[in-house]
Amino acid sequence: DIQMTQSPSSVSASVGDRVTITCRASQGISSSLAWYQQKPGKAPDLLIYAASTLQSGVPSRFSGSGSGTGFTLTIDSLQPEDFATYYCQQGNSFPRTFGQGTKVEIK
Amino acid sequence: EVRLVESGGGLVQPGRSLRLTCTVSGFTLGDYAMSWVRQAPGKGLEWVAFIRVKAYGGTREYAASVKGRFTVSRDDSKNTAYLQMNSLKTEDTAVYYCSRDHNNVLTDWGQGTLVTVSS
Repeated sequence: DIQMTQSPSSVSASVGDRVTITCRASQGISSSLAWYQQKPGKAPDLLIYAASTLQSGVPSRFSGSGSGTGFTLTIDSLQPEDFATYYCQQGNSFPRTFGQGTKVEIK
Repeated sequence: EVRLVESGGGLVQPGRSLRLTCTVSGFTLGDYAMSWVRQAPGKGLEWVAFIRVKAYGGTREYAASVKGRFTVSRDDSKNTAYLQMNSLKTEDTAVYYCSRDHNNVLTDWGQGTLVTVSS
């Protein structure tokens, strides 16, 4: 199985800050990586797929990069509605696996 | 508008069975693979099961933690997917989400249904 490791597990940030979350795969997954945002009590929402393609309707302050085993999600100019938990997920092979999540909290 | 609605969750005793239903609208179920993902209370996301479209044989994949106990199926004529859960364990307690699975990405999710396994 491919293990997905996110860091940090949590980050405290202020509105307007830039936040970067890292996701590392235990083996190469090409660009088969997606990022999801989840707010408390809600289902996850797709933010980015194919490592760097923004899902329709997602604000442009979100961006993704990377390939192979290392990936990043960057949020430029953090907004109040961005405080949530973020997950990466690999789609390269079964079983599909998620990172453990990164909680973005208000500083 | 794409919509997925799960139902069938509830409280069940260990060892018993439960069937979850995912009814979709806003797209043709038969054109898409589907996945089930769960989230235990206070924990992260865990992929559970996947079913391909009929054109690819409707074959299935499972997480090791549920293989042999859970069965995913689909009825495209009813725009509905199912997750049959047998021999339930306390560690199966979670919110279960169905998701449209397109090109290895979980593009749309239902609101989830809570399954509690407890005596």
